[in-house]
Amino acid sequence: ETGVTQSPTHLIKTRGQQVTLRCSSQSGHNTVSWYQQALGQGPQFIFQYYREEENGRGNFPPRFSGLQFPNYSSELNVNALELDDSALYLCASSFAQGGYGYTFGSGTRLTVV
Amino acid sequence: AQSVTQPDIHITVSEGASLELRCNYSYGATPYLFWYVQSPGQGLQLLLKYFSGDTLVQGIKGFEAEFKRSQSSFNLRKPSVHWSDAAEYFCAVGGNSGYSTLTFGKGTMLLVSP
Repeated sequence: ETGVTQSPTHLIKTRGQQVTLRCSSQSGHNTVSWYQQALGQGPQFIFQYYREEENGRGNFPPRFSGLQFPNYSSELNVNALELDDSALYLCASSFAQGGYGYTFGSGTRLTVV
Repeated sequence: AQSVTQPDIHITVSEGASLELRCNYSYGATPYLFWYVQSPGQGLQLLLKYFSGDTLVQGIKGFEAEFKRSQSSFNLRKPSVHWSDAAEYFCAVGGNSGYSTLTFGKGTMLLVSP
């Protein structure tokens, strides 16, 4: 059973650029959630995808968008990067029809300069 | 709105001593509560969870937590801390379904002194 894998592990971008982060779900999982963890803070919910559609969203602007693919992998896209977007981005997969069962990836560390 | 408060930003404990990390929550319905641990540069590992039933729950690595509804608390404990327990600990509240999202506290950094 594979876990959740995220790529890349680290990334440096310039303010105003766009970035795409990727996540492969754990085998058997069909739901993907993304969280942002700023330095010294707990993770904050960005959005969730199920059946390739957004299934819930936290308090993040529209420049944060996502995709889920038929194989349940997912992308997080951030446009017009701001310095405050610097954070660890965590992906978590789960099985929607089951009980609690989040598996978190190790995250992508994004630095915006 | 749901929220989680971890009042201690840092805690230092001597190796072999007992540990208690505090967590208070606010949730409109029956809370489902979680403790996660995060080592530097790593993702989140689930230590334990509470859904219902016995208010004292056992987790991995010798951790336990007690749910106290009257105090809206879910404190994490360990009788004897090991140096490898040094990490950041997050309390979270959410649901017990595969759709559920989690609301996290800001975390408590545990430092273990020799």
